[in-house]
Amino acid sequence: RKEVEQDPGPFNVPEGATVAFNCTYSNSASQSFFWYRQDCRKEPKLLMSVYSSGNEDGRFTAQLNRASQYISLLIRDSKLSDSATYLCVVSPYSGNTPLVFGKGTRLSVIA
Amino acid sequence: EPEVTQTPSHQVTQMGQEVILRCVPISNHLYFYWYRQILGQKVEFLVSFYNNEISEKSEIFDDQFSVERPDGSNFTLKIRSTKLEDSAMYFCASTSSTITNEQFFGPGTRLTVL
Repeated sequence: RKEVEQDPGPFNVPEGATVAFNCTYSNSASQSFFWYRQDCRKEPKLLMSVYSSGNEDGRFTAQLNRASQYISLLIRDSKLSDSATYLCVVSPYSGNTPLVFGKGTRLSVIA
Repeated sequence: EPEVTQTPSHQVTQMGQEVILRCVPISNHLYFYWYRQILGQKVEFLVSFYNNEISEKSEIFDDQFSVERPDGSNFTLKIRSTKLEDSAMYFCASTSSTITNEQFFGPGTRLTVL
């Protein structure tokens, strides 16, 4: 049973496109949710936390549906620099807890 | 902007040798973690550390692994007798808040076991 499951990708999109990533998690008690971005052979970098009410940061919008145990990330007006692997990450309980990572979805934005 | 640092960036070792990977977490953070990522696979949790002791460890973190905070700034991961399957990227992370649990990662150490 995969704890955090993501679209396998890769997604190849033209510049300016809107792209959406989906993620499901198996532990209904999970407390915190994140999207991280990982460039090739680099560390995961926090893109945004995901809140129950949904949240937006510039071109990026994240949504959480606790009932369906589903998280999404929408990227509008894709840039070449958005090309990376997007990791869905879940914190299974509150407090000092390890993060549980999905395998990631690779995005390539093409000129 | 404060960041997590790790040394070395790349370590090559022979099977059976001991390696020590070093991390300097962000200075006001109190919670520290080691993760690893085998090439082409997902990031996996190894161990968490708080108040000079291990908080939690995964099945991967067996007796060959140990962690230490030898002084006020460094946080180390030791692998006593490396195996071929220990070859991976090892990431250190830290957080200041158990409420948000937003963890910030260092650039990683690429460990190659020959």
